[in-house]
Amino acid sequence: DQQVKQNSPSLSVQEGRISILNCDYTNSMFDYFLWYKKYPAEGPTFLISISSIKDKNEDGRFTVFLNKSAKHLSLHIVPSQPGDSAVYFCAASASQYGNKLDFGAGTILRVKS
Amino acid sequence: KAGVTQTPRYLIKTRGQQVTLSCSPISGHRSVSWYQQTPGQGLQFLFEYFSETQRNKGNFPGRFSGRQFSNSRSEMNVSTLELGDSALYLCASSLRTGGIDTQYFGPGTRLTVL
Repeated sequence: DQQVKQNSPSLSVQEGRISILNCDYTNSMFDYFLWYKKYPAEGPTFLISISSIKDKNEDGRFTVFLNKSAKHLSLHIVPSQPGDSAVYFCAASASQYGNKLDFGAGTILRVKS
Repeated sequence: KAGVTQTPRYLIKTRGQQVTLSCSPISGHRSVSWYQQTPGQGLQFLFEYFSETQRNKGNFPGRFSGRQFSNSRSEMNVSTLELGDSALYLCASSLRTGGIDTQYFGPGTRLTVL
């Protein structure tokens, strides 16, 4: 049973514009959410995270928004760069479950120059 | 600080064999988790080790096992390999100081079962 869902398999954006990647979850026990970026044949690279006590977290060009009532989070990348082209995974964990991360299926982001 | 390292990077085995994969966490990290990535199932949690004890386990058969050493290095073992075990096996480490914890991943081991 997939508890973290990324419903958009792919997204194409022009360089310099905003990229918005979405993620939905079903388990209300999740209290920590992370975004990872992944290139083929490499491990995921941590990008940014947010705790359930916040609704927004920023780090440079990356901002994550959390809407707990809707069980929805999004990653905004502004401005998008060609080097951002990769697969982006949303992940969630619940403190009581320890370090078990539940991942979404991923969204392929293509930034066109 | 060096990142998470995994060896070997690539491995080819045949059905019925067993395999051992190794993971060295980031220095100072005491928790090591293992994940399997396949095209059909995505990234799935296998198990987590902390202070040489398995703390958490995913829904995988008993053929999948692991252990952690006193220096926090970890190994995972898959016995009686099946074709469906072909996957990218990822190791992640974290500080595990309690509460919220960020996991950092290694480059993975690509296992092909023929």
